[in-house]
Amino acid sequence: AAGVIQSPRHLIKEKRETATLKCYPIPRHDTVYWYQQGPGQDPQFLISFYEKMQSDKGSIPDRFSAQQFSDYHSELNMSSLELGDSALYFCASSLISTYYEQYFGPGTRLTVT
Amino acid sequence: DQQVKQNSPSLSVQEGRISILNCDYTNSMFDYFLWYKKYPAEGPTFLISISSIKDKNEDGRFTVFLNKSAKHLSLHIVPSQPGDSAVYFCAASEGTTLGRLYFGRGTQLTVWP
Repeated sequence: AAGVIQSPRHLIKEKRETATLKCYPIPRHDTVYWYQQGPGQDPQFLISFYEKMQSDKGSIPDRFSAQQFSDYHSELNMSSLELGDSALYFCASSLISTYYEQYFGPGTRLTVT
Repeated sequence: DQQVKQNSPSLSVQEGRISILNCDYTNSMFDYFLWYKKYPAEGPTFLISISSIKDKNEDGRFTVFLNKSAKHLSLHIVPSQPGDSAVYFCAASEGTTLGRLYFGRGTQLTVWP
């Protein structure tokens, strides 16, 4: 079965640079979620989209923005990167009707040096 | 403020025995509870969920029990197998926030032969 695809899997950036993470949800899933997991931490919700509209917003810095496109893929744009942004970034998708059952991608490991 | 707590960072169980992973929560508005399994370098994999209106849900070797009065849930794995060795995350969703998951810090389960 098709799963959530994230690219790139690994990304190394320097401070103050920008990064773009991409997420391709499971086909027919209409909702996408982004989570950030720091070292030894639990995943923290950043933002979600339903039918290309932002549906919920968590602890996402103003330096970050995201959107969902007409083909339902989503991109997380991160600017003015800081050392503290180094983390695993997970994308998950679901049907809005079963929002509580989210299927996660493998994650993008971002390292800021 | 950690709304979902997993107080045991690790658990070691012999193959064939029962594994019991525990989780506590503080938010009485949570309407769904989930367990995810995570292997290194992979995203969390959905295991099993339970609605707040139920007290038990079973799927094969996995059973989740919910005690709302105690704000406590547990995941039972019977019998445990070496392939079950992974980090297990407890998560919860609040219906008003349409899908945002709140995670615990995870429990590393090791099943030894």
